[in-house]
Amino acid sequence: EVQLVESGGGLVQPGRSLRLSCAASGFTFDDYAMHWVRQAPGRGLEWVSRITYNSAGIGYADSVKGRFTISRDNAKNSLYLQMNSLRAEDTAFYYCAKDLGGNSGVFDIWGRGTMVTVSS
Amino acid sequence: DIQMTQSPSSLSASVGDRVTITCRASQGISNFLAWFQQKPGEAPKSLIYAASSLHSGVPSKFSGSGSGTDFTLTISSLQPEDFATYYCQQYNSYPLTFGGGTRVEIK
Repeated sequence: EVQLVESGGGLVQPGRSLRLSCAASGFTFDDYAMHWVRQAPGRGLEWVSRITYNSAGIGYADSVKGRFTISRDNAKNSLYLQMNSLRAEDTAFYYCAKDLGGNSGVFDIWGRGTMVTVSS
Repeated sequence: DIQMTQSPSSLSASVGDRVTITCRASQGISNFLAWFQQKPGEAPKSLIYAASSLHSGVPSKFSGSGSGTDFTLTISSLQPEDFATYYCQQYNSYPLTFGGGTRVEIK
């Protein structure tokens, strides 16, 4: 079964850091680009970042550029999101999503998400 | 950035109704358009990509159409499990952007 499981969320103070992880299983992880998408409570979806299968191509939303870093470890079938200088507006559910293929920007599989709350 | 606008933002419908949701892009995106379903407390579920192609396992009651700037998602016969929020998303260019969502409620 294809599965993505996020972890690492929690309550953090403004200005602090947090690292999210996404464990992948059921597919050949190093064949696919991966994405992070977030959703603030009661709000819509916002694309955050993506990384190509070989980490050669990385992109970020303007709202997180310079503060967040996406990475992956294909040997561990894992995706990461290092979040620094966190702000209240970063409070959201964070989902990892698998790209359908070819760095298309099409999401086919989503994880269940992990909640990040930025508050003092 | 490409802006995606969905309408309506919410609608009430009955079981068995045919429902249509519209999504408009601020510039032409060919057919690089996807649709998602999200139920309360759950992750989004991918329904459609390339404007009209169903993801594996998605029932045929869902259909999509459109090209350029105007797109529609149609649910042919609404069932209780279809009451949810639906989002469109463009993948013509980065940053990927989503519509604001359409909440489908029970009448």
